[in-house]
Formats: sequence, structure tokens, C-alpha cells
Amino acid sequence: GAVVSQHPSWVICKSGTSVKIECRSLDFQATTMFWYRQFPKQSLMLMATSNEGSKATYEQGVEKDKFLINHASLTLSTLTVTSAHPEDSSFYICSATSGRAGTGELFFGEGSRLTVL
Amino acid sequence: SQQGEEDPQALSIQEGENATMNCSYKTSINNLQWYRQNSGRGLVHLILIRSNEREKHSGRLRVTLDTSKKSSSLLITASRAADTASYFCATALNSGYSTLTFGKGTMLLVSP
Repeated sequence: GAVVSQHPSWVICKSGTSVKIECRSLDFQATTMFWYRQFPKQSLMLMATSNEGSKATYEQGVEKDKFLINHASLTLSTLTVTSAHPEDSSFYICSATSGRAGTGELFFGEGSRLTVL
Repeated sequence: SQQGEEDPQALSIQEGENATMNCSYKTSINNLQWYRQNSGRGLVHLILIRSNEREKHSGRLRVTLDTSKKSSSLLITASRAADTASYFCATALNSGYSTLTFGKGTMLLVSP
């Protein structure tokens, strides 16, 4: 199957700093990417949907100024956690599809574990 | 908001036994998907079943869907230690693999 790569796989940062997580589709053009957050032993919660070249659509309750999403190319989306605090510590997972409006298979990255001290 | 609810939350079996996980959901769906997640890793898509389908097979996996009861089950036959993982159901309101709502997952432990 297609490959979606996330980087970094884990990151530790100090409170107040910003952290950028990259999600790349390695062998297909991802017109739509999704960002999820997962707490320990919990389910995945959709944070936002991003389409290449347009602004991300955030789920209710997700602060768009806190979690900046950029999908500037067909192979790269980034999630920046701004002014991170310990409560932002979580496992962040991206997924990507090659089709708009729900078409196409969905591929997940390996996740990025963020720990904010 | 979460749509799917899996049960049991945790399941511990011996190798060779069958494992059955259930998922219930609340609203009408276009399709339901099952995913597997190894600890601390990303998700791997296992199988998709559409709302007009009742049963689907893939290797040792068997998925059923009962739209009248808004429930689905995932059966893993002849389980192996390598099947140890968390299993999630996810529902899609629209066709394809777009916005998914995940359940809480079932943690499966298969002992050798």
C-alpha cells in the first residue's frame, strides 16, 4: 500500500515553545490530509481536515490558532502546535487520501508522540 | 463526537482461539471500517464494509454489519500472537474513506 511518513516520531519540548510535525505522502499525491489526536488508551479524535492549497477545516473545539495546519503541496502537510503546554502532550496521527470528497483509500502515518515538559 | 463503541474494551485469548470484537454506532452510515493499531504506532486499514453489505471476509478476518441494530463485529480466526494490537471501528457518513469517526477500540492480547 501507499506510504505516509510522519516526522518526528517523537519530540520533547519545553512549555511555551512551538513544535512542527510533518506528514508526507511518499508515493502518491495527497489532495486531502487529516490530523488526529490520540490520548493513551483512547480513540482517535479528528482535529482537522486539510485540502491542498486551501485552509484547513477544524473540528469543533479545536483551536485553529493553537494548532496551525498547512497543506502547501500535494505531498506535505504540517501541524504546528504553538506555545505548547503539558496538556498538549499527546499522540498526533495524520492520514492522507488521494481523492477529494471522500474518494480514495486512506493511509495513516506512524504517528508523532509529543511530550511537553 | 465519538460514534462507534467497541466491546469488549480488552480481550485476552490464547493462540489458536478466535477473537470477536463488536462495534455499535448511533447514526446512519455509508460504510464502516476496521483498523488495527500496534502500540504506539499508526493505524492499518483492515477491511471496509458498506451499508448495503452484510458480511465480508479477508483472510482470517470476517466482518459483519447489521444496520438495523447499528452494529458490526470483527472476527479474527485462529489468532496468533502477532495479532496482539488495538482494533478500532470507524464509521463514515459519506462514500469512500473521508471523515471517519473512530470508536474507543478493543485491546486484544493473544498469548502464545
